[in-house]
Amino acid sequence: NAGVMQNPRHLVRRRGQEARLRCSPMKGHSHVYWYRQLPEEGLKFMVYLQKENIIDESGMPKERFSAEFPKEGPSILRIQQVVRGDSAAYFCASSLDSYTGELFFGEGSRLTVL
Amino acid sequence: AQSVAQPEDQVNVAEGNPLTVKCTYSVSGNPYLFWYVQYPNRGLQFLLKYITGDNLVKGSYGFEAEFNKSQTSFHLKKPSALVSDSALYFCAVRDGYNFNKFYFGSGTKLNVKP
Repeated sequence: NAGVMQNPRHLVRRRGQEARLRCSPMKGHSHVYWYRQLPEEGLKFMVYLQKENIIDESGMPKERFSAEFPKEGPSILRIQQVVRGDSAAYFCASSLDSYTGELFFGEGSRLTVL
Repeated sequence: AQSVAQPEDQVNVAEGNPLTVKCTYSVSGNPYLFWYVQYPNRGLQFLLKYITGDNLVKGSYGFEAEFNKSQTSFHLKKPSALVSDSALYFCAVRDGYNFNKFYFGSGTKLNVKP
């Protein structure tokens, strides 16, 4: 049973370009979470999605950032017109629809903005 | 408000000595508590969780955690530390009412010296 798959693992973009980060949750998991982590810092919640629905995007910047989890295919975190401050590790996690299940994390996508 | 506190940014222990990484929480409803470990440039790995039952929970890699309801704490422990335990540790709590919400602590860096 494959774990949470994220790609790309590393992404380099120049300022103003777009970054697309993909996440395939664990098989059977219908809940996807995106977190951002700066070096040597904790996790910052960005968005929580279920299939075709954004449930909670309270942690996501209002501009330039968007997320989706379509009926078919991976969840996508999209950052438009990237700036240097977007450089970070972006982690995806998935969980079962249960009260007691833990989050399973991917290995992260490390975005570097030049 | 729901929250998780890890009061120590860093914990230093000598190899072979017992270790404790502290976590306190504030949550409505029943607390569902988790510990994760993060090695450099990796995703978070699940260590253990408390849902109900015995207050002492055993997890991966010889770690255990003690749930203390009166002190609202969930400290991570290991009887004998290894150098390979050096990593970043995160405590997390799942909201007892809105169970799709997770709250993470700021992380504690564990340094185990030979």
